[in-house]
Amino acid sequence: AQTVTQSQPEMSVQEAETVTLSCTYDTSESDYYLFWYKQPPSRQMILVIRQEAYKQQNATENRFSVNFQKAAKSFSLKISDSQLGDAAMYFCAYRSAGTGTASKLTFGTGTRLQVTL
Amino acid sequence: NAGVTQTPKFQVLKTGQSMTLQCAQDMNHNSMYWYRQDPGMGLRLIYYSASEGTTDKGEVPNGYNVSRLNKREFSLRLESAAPSQTSVYFCASSARQGGTQYFGPGTRLTVL
Repeated sequence: AQTVTQSQPEMSVQEAETVTLSCTYDTSESDYYLFWYKQPPSRQMILVIRQEAYKQQNATENRFSVNFQKAAKSFSLKISDSQLGDAAMYFCAYRSAGTGTASKLTFGTGTRLQVTL
Repeated sequence: NAGVTQTPKFQVLKTGQSMTLQCAQDMNHNSMYWYRQDPGMGLRLIYYSASEGTTDKGEVPNGYNVSRLNKREFSLRLESAAPSQTSVYFCASSARQGGTQYFGPGTRLTVL
């Protein structure tokens, strides 16, 4: 079974600075997808960024980018120019490229990000 | 375009009571999912529906039933609620199995 590990329960960053959230995963599959979701206090789960394992190029989405290291099974999220609105819980998630129950998302336990002035 | 909607937002039940959580999506998605979120555990899949007319168990299905009423709606039923079912429940949908999943706002359920 796949597992996702987020080893940083909490992180803090100053406004306008850069922060990196870590995520590692364990799988025997070669084809899969990785995601970062943001969960603000409103509780809504918001997709931040997505990475296909077959793509070597790291995904970027405005101020958000990932460092995908397939061999190391590492998938970190970098937030540049941090803003107060970035404060939230961030979840790393894995999904197999298969179907059926394989299409479920496997989540890490989350990293709570604080943004200070 | 509301995306994925869930009702109710909050609910308190007594042990043994039953209730149904409602989920609807207006994105014409084929696949829908129910997850639960417990403190320190991330989200876990309860049931999913790959397409209209089909449902399958996920990781933690015990104590729950689901109905895919039509393409838009996917409900989750607790027949006899237990304190262990106190959690936040999320519905999600994707255009197809394996597609990116989009989540509703969640339902916070407390079972006393």
